[in-house]
Amino acid sequence: QKEVEQNSGPLSVPEGAIASLNCTYSDRVSQSFFWYRQYSGKSPELIMSIYSNGDKEDGRFTAQLNKASQYVSLLIRDSQPSDSATYLCAGPVGTGNQFYFGTGTSLTVIP
Amino acid sequence: GAVVSQHPSWVICKSGTSVKIECRSLDFQATTMFWYRQFPKQSLMLMATSNEGSKATYEQGVEKDKFLINHASLTLSTLTVTSAHPEDSSFYICSATARATNSPLHFGNGTRLTVT
Repeated sequence: QKEVEQNSGPLSVPEGAIASLNCTYSDRVSQSFFWYRQYSGKSPELIMSIYSNGDKEDGRFTAQLNKASQYVSLLIRDSQPSDSATYLCAGPVGTGNQFYFGTGTSLTVIP
Repeated sequence: GAVVSQHPSWVICKSGTSVKIECRSLDFQATTMFWYRQFPKQSLMLMATSNEGSKATYEQGVEKDKFLINHASLTLSTLTVTSAHPEDSSFYICSATARATNSPLHFGNGTRLTVT
């Protein structure tokens, strides 16, 4: 099992819909998680961090963490074409001198 | 928010020459910096991890003599691609994390290297 596994997609949703992106993780990963968005030809940018069980909302984005199931997700409400990108989940190992990334989910929002 | 500055953003060099890429954390001290390479439509590939004041740890298959990493201070790491060849053409991205629990990775804007 990979340390962080991500549903690889690709995922297509119509504009205005909810996009759901998911990751599972192994016991090796410390239980803080980060979601990154990467546009084509650009470097990843941090969009959400979550450290505690439950939901964390930031604008149209909601991150969900379920430590019992070792599952983390990102919901994007009212999806916009500008949300079309690859989304990466990541978690640190130990004290943070190592990070594991999922393989990324390519999201396309169709106008 | 935390900012990581990477220079240059793009570089074209001739085969056989060396190229240095700088990565700076502008408003935090980066205990650890990571260097990634990404080919078109592929995932990030970790090349090496560097901790301030110590030798970098290279991933399997990455030639340490070809990709020289120096992390001389808590705010600066450099990657030098020595004797570059066309197959080294890629998008190189650095990232850094601060000395704090739950600190995320912050990425530089990347350097697009083209070797002719």
